[in-house]
Amino acid sequence: QQQVKQSPQSLIVQKGGISIINCAYENTAFDYFPWYQQFPGKGPALLIAIRPDVSEKKEGRFTISFNKSAKQFSLHIMDSQPGDSATYFCAASFGSSNTGKLIFGQGTTLQVKP
Amino acid sequence: DAGITQSPRHKVTETGTPVTLRCHQTENHRYMYWYRQDPGHGLRLIHYSYGVKDTDKGEVSDGYSVSRSKTEDFLLTLESATSSQTSVYFCAISSTREEQFFGPGTRLTVL
Repeated sequence: QQQVKQSPQSLIVQKGGISIINCAYENTAFDYFPWYQQFPGKGPALLIAIRPDVSEKKEGRFTISFNKSAKQFSLHIMDSQPGDSATYFCAASFGSSNTGKLIFGQGTTLQVKP
Repeated sequence: DAGITQSPRHKVTETGTPVTLRCHQTENHRYMYWYRQDPGHGLRLIHYSYGVKDTDKGEVSDGYSVSRSKTEDFLLTLESATSSQTSVYFCAISSTREEQFFGPGTRLTVL
């Protein structure tokens, strides 16, 4: 009930291409869905986040698409660059109505080839 | 790393020994969290704190305890380390319970 399933586990994209990472959840009480980016040897850093009352959120080259009925959300990276090569984690939480406990997906390692 | 430090950054210890990891923040954020990161599991919450002396368990709390006697410090203790606790440990802080800022991590190896 509290799992977040992420796919694919790894992804290779050519420079300039679109990277797409998908996540699915089961608990409809989740109300905050962030994406984190992690470079080797570093802690995760918040990239972009969305709430279920919005179907899409865009920040620069990064877009979250949210499908409430399907209980799925995805991260799209447009015009992917080698500097985007990192591990990406989706997550879900009960947001400010709870203590902010994040449930993370398993992670996707993205490699953008020059 | 948003005013968060973790110490030590690397530690190798033996099975059965006690280990304490420290998280220190300079942001005066109320909420603090300890996660562990393992391949194939993402990050999993161990314990969290919602104020000084106020802590609660996360999803993988067995074998771990925490303490928070000051706003800025959150300690994670492995009372008797086991090989299954070999992992990378991350501390996170938050003022909103939503956006969490992560520290640089501690790599712990239990032999």
